[in-house]
Amino acid sequence: EAGVTQSPTHLIKTRGQQVTLRCSPISGHTSVYWYQQALGLGLQFLLWYDEGEERNRGNFPPRFSGRQFPNYSSELNVNALELEDSALYLCASSSERVPGNTIYFGEGSWLTVV
Amino acid sequence: AQTVTQSQPEMSVQEAETVTLSCTYDTSENNYYLFWYKQPPSRQMILVIRQEAYKQQNATENRFSVNFQKAAKSFSLKISDSQLGDTAMYFCAFMNAGNNRKLIWGLGTSLAVNP
Repeated sequence: EAGVTQSPTHLIKTRGQQVTLRCSPISGHTSVYWYQQALGLGLQFLLWYDEGEERNRGNFPPRFSGRQFPNYSSELNVNALELEDSALYLCASSSERVPGNTIYFGEGSWLTVV
Repeated sequence: AQTVTQSQPEMSVQEAETVTLSCTYDTSENNYYLFWYKQPPSRQMILVIRQEAYKQQNATENRFSVNFQKAAKSFSLKISDSQLGDTAMYFCAFMNAGNNRKLIWGLGTSLAVNP
């Protein structure tokens, strides 16, 4: 069974540009989460999508947005990139059928903003 | 607000020995989940072990076990028979059993297993 897959794995963008990161959850998982792991700041919760709807949002500005598609895959969009957006962006998924709300992570997308 | 504290930024252990990583958390909730995740140099976050707060029995997964002390709000991870492949960052995380699905993370402990 395939795990959570993310693309691209690495990318470099210029300040002010826009970026889209993509995530496919584990088959059968309906919830997708996005986390930002910036150097020195630890992991920060960004977004939670379930059944196509945004269910919860972390303390990030509106230029961070996303969506979930009918096949449960998801995109994270970041507009007007700033240098401090440089981070590893981790996508994760879960299923109501798995007890304890256990969340499984992908390998992440490294974003460097120059 | 919930917080998670890992007081050991770095630790090391000899191969085949046992090591314990500490984690404390702060919450006013009674029902929640606790997790240990491992992040090797590949950067993928891998679930090590999970504990439901309503369960008194400590969770165990092969060489990994936890010491969950609910009253003390402590959730330590014990790794027995340490292997070189256990070298990684270890993160403790908390999730309220409510419906916000937000993991609150500690800053991690970097564990080095030495041959």
